[in-house]
Amino acid sequence: EAGVAQSPRYKIIEKRQSVAFWCNPISGHATLYWYQQILGQGPKLLIQFQNNGVVDDSQLPKDRFSAERLKGVDSTLKIQPAKLEDSAVYLCASSRFGQGGSGELFFGEGSRLTVL
Amino acid sequence: GDSVTQMEGPVTLSEEAFLTINCTYTATGYPSLFWYVQYPGEGLQLLLKATKADDKGSNKGFEATYRKETTSFHLEKGSVQVSDSAVYFCALTQGNYQLIWGAGTKLIIKP
Repeated sequence: EAGVAQSPRYKIIEKRQSVAFWCNPISGHATLYWYQQILGQGPKLLIQFQNNGVVDDSQLPKDRFSAERLKGVDSTLKIQPAKLEDSAVYLCASSRFGQGGSGELFFGEGSRLTVL
Repeated sequence: GDSVTQMEGPVTLSEEAFLTINCTYTATGYPSLFWYVQYPGEGLQLLLKATKADDKGSNKGFEATYRKETTSFHLEKGSVQVSDSAVYFCALTQGNYQLIWGAGTKLIIKP
């Protein structure tokens, strides 16, 4: 089966500009995650969707970050306006999570953002 | 709340050495436990998992045993290769959609 698809792989912008990342999860996976991974650190959950509803967005900086998952399939993560500290890799993952789910996440290759 | 603690890195070993990366957890229930690996320039991928006490997960020569009595899930490999150089993450979930991550341990294998 096809894996988690993300685009773009790399993006360089200047601070105060906006950027959007796209993710298409594995077919049939109801749960979709966006993580931020800063160099040398573990992944930090930004937002988690179950179908098209938000399960957890407690660590999403809502003043500048937004995410949506229309129709419960693919998702976009937007940053506007970007700050220098947003330079990171943005990872999308999906799973079959649910009651009794295995807990295994499948990750895309990530979108590396550099803010100058 | 639930948490995962990993040994700090980097861990530097010579090729063919024995590897142990320690992972301990704190959880109120009966979590599932995972090791994920991130090779340079790549995304995270599941290495192995265990879903109940005394289960042993294994993959690519790596093993980890779910020890409820010591709340541990240490990663081991008998003979490491240069290609094993990566960052390894221990994680747990209670099956409630939330994955709790350790900070990661960087492994460097020298030829």
